[in-house]
Amino acid sequence: EAEVAQSPRYKITEKSQAVAFWCDPISGHATLYWYRQILGQGPELLVQFQDESVVDDSQLPKDRFSAERLKGVDSTLKIQPAELGDSAMYLCASSLGVAGGPTDTQYFGPGTRLTVL
Amino acid sequence: SQKIEQNSEALNIQEGKTATLTCNYTNYSPAYLQWYRQDPGRGPVFLLLIRENEKEKRKERLKVTFDTTLKQSLFHITASQPADSATYLCALALLRGGYNKLIFGAGTRLAVHP
Repeated sequence: EAEVAQSPRYKITEKSQAVAFWCDPISGHATLYWYRQILGQGPELLVQFQDESVVDDSQLPKDRFSAERLKGVDSTLKIQPAELGDSAMYLCASSLGVAGGPTDTQYFGPGTRLTVL
Repeated sequence: SQKIEQNSEALNIQEGKTATLTCNYTNYSPAYLQWYRQDPGRGPVFLLLIRENEKEKRKERLKVTFDTTLKQSLFHITASQPADSATYLCALALLRGGYNKLIFGAGTRLAVHP
């Protein structure tokens, strides 16, 4: 069964350093999502791509976070500089997109656990 | 303000009983609602979807109800098993500019005891 791949699974960094997370969605999925999940809370959408275009980045802290999906396939989320409050699980998800219709199901990857010291 | 509320305290039940989890929301008009299961250290896994014009949906031992007047969804697991122990998240789907945006609740942790 196809899965969303993410790496690394765990990342420990010091504040003010740069970190990057990678996501490879399920083949053929046009829509890709990055979520942040703080311990004890639900996932919060950071950015949504349709193919290579950003369709929603309203919750992305653009002064330090950036995301790209250059060829409309895999994606990278970067934080520079990292702050203590960025410690969280970063989840990537993908869905068929428009082809899936309005009730398109999202498939999540295993996440990257970030700890900022 | 807009809120999604799920039971913050863990739900402990005996194996074989029915678990009922609640999701309440205010100031949202979701097109549909989804329930996800999340195990510790893993990403959420989709379970069920119910549309705004549907009252009830079933899948094997799972049942979801959706009351748009009460702004509430109930999630039931019948004949619960220890393997059902996990955190269950509800998510509202909002249609924005032709795209769907999911807003998640904080989840309810379910523990099923043998």
